[in-house]
Amino acid sequence: GENVEQHPSTLSVQEGDSAVIKCTYSDSASNYFPWYKQELGKGPQLIIDIRSNVGEKKDQRIAVTLNKTAKHFSLHITETQPEDSAVYFCAAQGPNTGNQFYFGTGTSLTVIP
Amino acid sequence: DAGVIQSPRHEVTEMGQEVTLRCKPISGHDYLFWYRQTMMRGLELLIYFNNNVPIDDSGMPEDRFSAKMPNASFSTLKIQPSEPRDSAVYFCASSFGGASGNQPQHFGDGTRLSIL
Repeated sequence: GENVEQHPSTLSVQEGDSAVIKCTYSDSASNYFPWYKQELGKGPQLIIDIRSNVGEKKDQRIAVTLNKTAKHFSLHITETQPEDSAVYFCAAQGPNTGNQFYFGTGTSLTVIP
Repeated sequence: DAGVIQSPRHEVTEMGQEVTLRCKPISGHDYLFWYRQTMMRGLELLIYFNNNVPIDDSGMPEDRFSAKMPNASFSTLKIQPSEPRDSAVYFCASSFGGASGNQPQHFGDGTRLSIL
């Protein structure tokens, strides 16, 4: 089955700096890659997703890049703000996963004011 | 539009008691997922349904766990008897499968379960 690895597990950045979180996946057939943000006491919330027919997608300060050849995808947050502090999860889904998502282990991001 | 609704938000009970967690998915969604989240194991998929039918329950830890989806707007996850190691946050999520899949899952805010 699919295996998703996520790095780093913790990340601290100064406010205004950029943050990058990286994930790799094992199943080359996976074709959908969502990213979730989880704040304390809440469920994971979708922040951006990318499908395998595109290499990059942007939404204001958040961007995701996908390298299908290398089987990795990354989340980029620019101009970080204290409210970006949360746990971020990547996931992968594809025709071999039966509509399941395979989640990474999460990155705890702290933005220092 | 209402999101996924879970109840209760918090549950504290004694070992051996039956626990029932409830979930109302987003209207129109045909997939429903139950997850468990702990510090040690992260997010684990327990079971998921498509059109109210269980598709994969390989993540259900033991026979003490059972899940049902009697209709498109309601699902339960039951633990009987409960044990301290069942303490975790349990999430329900729903999604619309669509023609090609590749649709996001929408999560509720979870039930924090503590078994004493």
